[in-house]
Amino acid sequence: AQSVAQPEDQVNVAEGNPLTVKCTYSVSGNPYLFWYVQYPNRGLQFLLKYITGDNLVKGSYGFEAEFNKSQTSFHLKKPSALVSDSALYFCAVRDIYSGGYQKVTFGTGTKLQVIP
Amino acid sequence: SQTIHQWPATLVQPVGSPLSLECTVEGTSNPNLYWYRQAAGRGLQLLFYSVGIGQISSEVPQNLSASRPQDRQFILSSKKLLLSDSGFYLCAWRSDPGEQYFGPGTRLTVT
Repeated sequence: AQSVAQPEDQVNVAEGNPLTVKCTYSVSGNPYLFWYVQYPNRGLQFLLKYITGDNLVKGSYGFEAEFNKSQTSFHLKKPSALVSDSALYFCAVRDIYSGGYQKVTFGTGTKLQVIP
Repeated sequence: SQTIHQWPATLVQPVGSPLSLECTVEGTSNPNLYWYRQAAGRGLQLLFYSVGIGQISSEVPQNLSASRPQDRQFILSSKKLLLSDSGFYLCAWRSDPGEQYFGPGTRLTVT
């Protein structure tokens, strides 16, 4: 079984400050990890993914995420937050051995509020 | 490039009425397709997925059904809507090795 946890329901950060949105996961094998962003009344947008290789993954809009196997974490980061980054962020995981239709499990989402 | 369409964008239906939501994908062949429901603007619930024409798997037994009559068309249906069917319905297709691309969604309100 695979699972993902986003322990923070909401994260508040001042504009210009660095931001971190936390994600931890559980899989039986090696994970594929993803981050998505959702703006109000819109579908989710893919931000970045970790498959293999460098633990630091860079994605869209200046976001990056760090894969930490020992801590089973994949935290989303950005050096300087913008007000326009305010949105709902989802972490997702897939076990590379999940086979079949390759089910992806999504976290419950973290609302990011960037304060001007 | 690939594009995913959903319609309608919003829908208000009375309890007991039928439902049909449509999703179409452009720019890719034989995509894996998914229907999700998002309640209260939060977690995603996987409803159905399809790996090909006529191949539908259900994740959660409920009042809804899905069909895939064409390679790039995925339809979500109900014969009789319940109040609990209200929500934001999202269609997605999966790229390799697993990231999904979502449509704009349909906001369904059952009254």
